[in-house]
Amino acid sequence: AQKVTQAQTEISVVEKEDVTLDCVYETRDTTYYLFWYKQPPSGELVFLIRRNSFDEQNEISGRYSWNFQKSTSSFNFTITASQVVDSAVYFCALSESLWAGNNRKLIWGLGTSLAVNP
Amino acid sequence: DTGVSQNPRHKITKRGQNVTFRCDPISEHNRLYWYRQTLGQGPEFLTYFQNEAQLEKSRLLSDRFSAERPKGSFSTLEIQRTEQGDSAMYLCASSEMGGRETQYFGPGTRLLVL
Repeated sequence: AQKVTQAQTEISVVEKEDVTLDCVYETRDTTYYLFWYKQPPSGELVFLIRRNSFDEQNEISGRYSWNFQKSTSSFNFTITASQVVDSAVYFCALSESLWAGNNRKLIWGLGTSLAVNP
Repeated sequence: DTGVSQNPRHKITKRGQNVTFRCDPISEHNRLYWYRQTLGQGPEFLTYFQNEAQLEKSRLLSDRFSAERPKGSFSTLEIQRTEQGDSAMYLCASSEMGGRETQYFGPGTRLLVL
């Protein structure tokens, strides 16, 4: 069955610290997509990254980086030199290809609430 | 590209009343999704449209819920005879078919049933 686990419910750091958010997934599909979204207090889900299952190259975008390890079914997200504006709930999500047909619905983790304190 | 919009942003209603929410997707996106999110949880899939066709409905979508997407443009989600358990954030997302199928979300409609 498809499942996304974000074991860290809440994380609190001091500004400028690095922080890693963990994501572990389960899927029966060989082709799938992984996502990270940010949900600030306003509530709107903001897309951060999409990763295809056949592309294990890690990605860096400014202070954000993502580590995709297919062998351990993990897709972790690191924020370097965190800032107060990074405070939000971060969600990891999975969508499948083969079994889903045309429906690319997202399967979500429970989210990790990140608080960055000044 | 103005993004996905949803109206209203907030809705307070009494139990038993009907409510309708609207979603306007990004103009060139032919896929549209509805999700529901309760406090402390991730979003849960409700239903999916490809153009005007509703192709899948979650078991979460009881008979009191109905969704439409006439002409494959905007979509509406109606809840009849609301119950307190319907209180949640209702999220709409849209995506292009094929290639980059990233879902972009609207700001959501927060429903409170008293």
